[in-house]
Amino acid sequence: NAGVTQTPKFRVLKTGQSMTLLCAQDMNHEYMYWYRQDPGMGLRLIHYSVGEGTTAKGEVPDGYNVSRLKKQNFLLGLESAAPSQTSVYFCASSSVPRRQFFGPGTRLTVL
Amino acid sequence: GDSVTQMEGPVTLSEEAFLTINCTYTATGYPSLFWYVQYPGEGLQLLLKATKADDKGSNKGFEATYRKETTSFHLEKGSVQVSDSAVYFCALSSLDTGNQFYFGTGTSLTVIP
Repeated sequence: NAGVTQTPKFRVLKTGQSMTLLCAQDMNHEYMYWYRQDPGMGLRLIHYSVGEGTTAKGEVPDGYNVSRLKKQNFLLGLESAAPSQTSVYFCASSSVPRRQFFGPGTRLTVL
Repeated sequence: GDSVTQMEGPVTLSEEAFLTINCTYTATGYPSLFWYVQYPGEGLQLLLKATKADDKGSNKGFEATYRKETTSFHLEKGSVQVSDSAVYFCALSSLDTGNQFYFGTGTSLTVIP
């Protein structure tokens, strides 16, 4: 039982490049979330999903897209990366909305 | 909207010292309150939670009481250890906001021997 895993762990992009972050969970959870963590800002919700095939915007969705084609996976896409998207990205999942399990994070730097 | 404010760090304590990390919240409904802990290089882990007023959450020697009258959920531990060094996040979640989580900015704690 791996819990919540994130791929990759680290990535460096140039401005304008695209990439996809993968989150996978093996706990059969319905809910999945993407957050970004910035110094002095805490965690801010980017997008979330309440089930397979559904997605919704969180607090800071601009510049990101997501997809939940399979229940166990939640993908976060950056179509055209900007330096402002330099951050640590965390995925989380839960079976009930109020108890979230977090992945180890992806550190992204955009030059 | 809903929000959480927690004391800024960093906090540095000697081993066996008493810890308090303040957290206050603003919410339109009746939120559940949480403390999460993040160890270096890892994701967040749930430390404790309280779902209604006057509830006390506790885990690993940490405690926090949901105080509706003061809209607070302060984290306390009577005797900290070096292994408690981490970043602590206060958070709330409410049915009124679609169960979204709102996190505080985090408080970094370093415990020195």
